[in-house]
Amino acid sequence: ELKVEQNPLFLSMQEGKNYTIYCNYSTTSDRLYWYRQDPGKSLESLFVLLSNGAVKQEGRLMASLDTKARLSTLHITAAVHDLSATYFCAVDGSGGSNYKLTFGKGTLLTVNP
Amino acid sequence: DTEVTQTPKHLVMGMTNKKSLKCEQHMGHRAMYWYKQKAKKPPELMFVYSYEKLSINESVPSRFSPECPNSSLLNLHLHALQPEDSALYLCASSQEGVLAGGTIEQFFGPGTRLTVL
Repeated sequence: ELKVEQNPLFLSMQEGKNYTIYCNYSTTSDRLYWYRQDPGKSLESLFVLLSNGAVKQEGRLMASLDTKARLSTLHITAAVHDLSATYFCAVDGSGGSNYKLTFGKGTLLTVNP
Repeated sequence: DTEVTQTPKHLVMGMTNKKSLKCEQHMGHRAMYWYKQKAKKPPELMFVYSYEKLSINESVPSRFSPECPNSSLLNLHLHALQPEDSALYLCASSQEGVLAGGTIEQFFGPGTRLTVL
């Protein structure tokens, strides 16, 4: 069974600081997805990482994928309050499943002034 | 149109009621999904439809009944629900499956907040 572990689960940081969220998964997969969810809202797709060494950046967020280590990171640079949300990573392809995404538990990020 | 829409936004129902949740997408996606999400938890997959056929049923109780009338629409029929079924129900769509050489980057609708009394 595919397991996806995120850490930390809770992250409180000050504006202007940098931090990294980690996502480890237990089986081989080339595809990893990052989503953002604001309180009471739906999930928004942030990044799709499709191969080993993939790196994508959007604003203050940068995501990378190391398929050999089965690890993805979401790096936050100079955090601002607007980044406060829950961030989920998800992996597909478990057991040859054509459609199933397995989500991590999520990281609740709070950025304080 | 890059949007997944869901109706209603909120639904309160008694345990003996029958209601339906509706989802629509016009992105030409061929896979559509229902998820259930409890507070402070990740989404849990319930059903997947691929090319209008049920592809995955994650052992969901029969009081939830999905339906895919066409490639753009997905319904979830609810009957005799329990209070523990109260949750945010999310619909999503993706282009195709992994085996078709694509990704399953899923685009989520705004959700229906369901309360069962």
